[in-house]
Amino acid sequence: EIVMTQSPATLSVSPGERATLSCRASQSVGSNLAWYQQKPGQAPRLLIFAASPRATGIPDRFSGSGSGTEFTLTISSLQSEDFAIYYCQQYNTWPLTFGQGTKVDI
Amino acid sequence: QVQLQESGPGLVKPSETLSLTCTVSGYSISGTSYWGWIRQPPGKGLEWVGTISHSGTTYYSPSLKSRVTISLDTSKNQFSLRLSSLTAADTAVYFCAKVYGNYPVGSFHHWGQGTLVTVSS
Repeated sequence: EIVMTQSPATLSVSPGERATLSCRASQSVGSNLAWYQQKPGQAPRLLIFAASPRATGIPDRFSGSGSGTEFTLTISSLQSEDFAIYYCQQYNTWPLTFGQGTKVDI
Repeated sequence: QVQLQESGPGLVKPSETLSLTCTVSGYSISGTSYWGWIRQPPGKGLEWVGTISHSGTTYYSPSLKSRVTISLDTSKNQFSLRLSSLTAADTAVYFCAKVYGNYPVGSFHHWGQGTLVTVSS
């Protein structure tokens, strides 16, 4: 199976700052990569699919990039509601696999 | 607007079988789409359990394949998860979700709120 590795495990930032989250795949997944945001007690929310397009209703401060094995989620100017855990997921190959998550906190 | 809602017991005994149902509203599950189950142990990350197509074709996680069954009930617009031979390691929040697009492999666009299942005697 494809192992997804996210870094860092925790990212401490201040509101208004830029956050850059990384996701690495153990083998190429093409552009078949999604990003999710999860807040405590809530279901994950799809932010990005196919590595870069934003899902419906997602603010443009969220952007995704990358292909193959290296991917990045950038939050251009953190808002208070953006403090959460972020997961990447590959859907290029069965079984579908998720990264272990990056917690973005103050 | 697509909405999903999980239902089922919150507490199950070890060695028994878990049965969960996901009720879908705002979309017909017999349309050209795919539906999945994902679980999350307390304080841990997300694990894909399996996916089912609108026609009933199933795809399972290799680590769970021997114990899991996903099925459709189009008359009730529901799909279900059965997981047998439970152990404490199966304690998790179980989410149902709709796959984005019309392919079996994809991201999950719509999610249920999740239901916590505890395996304990």
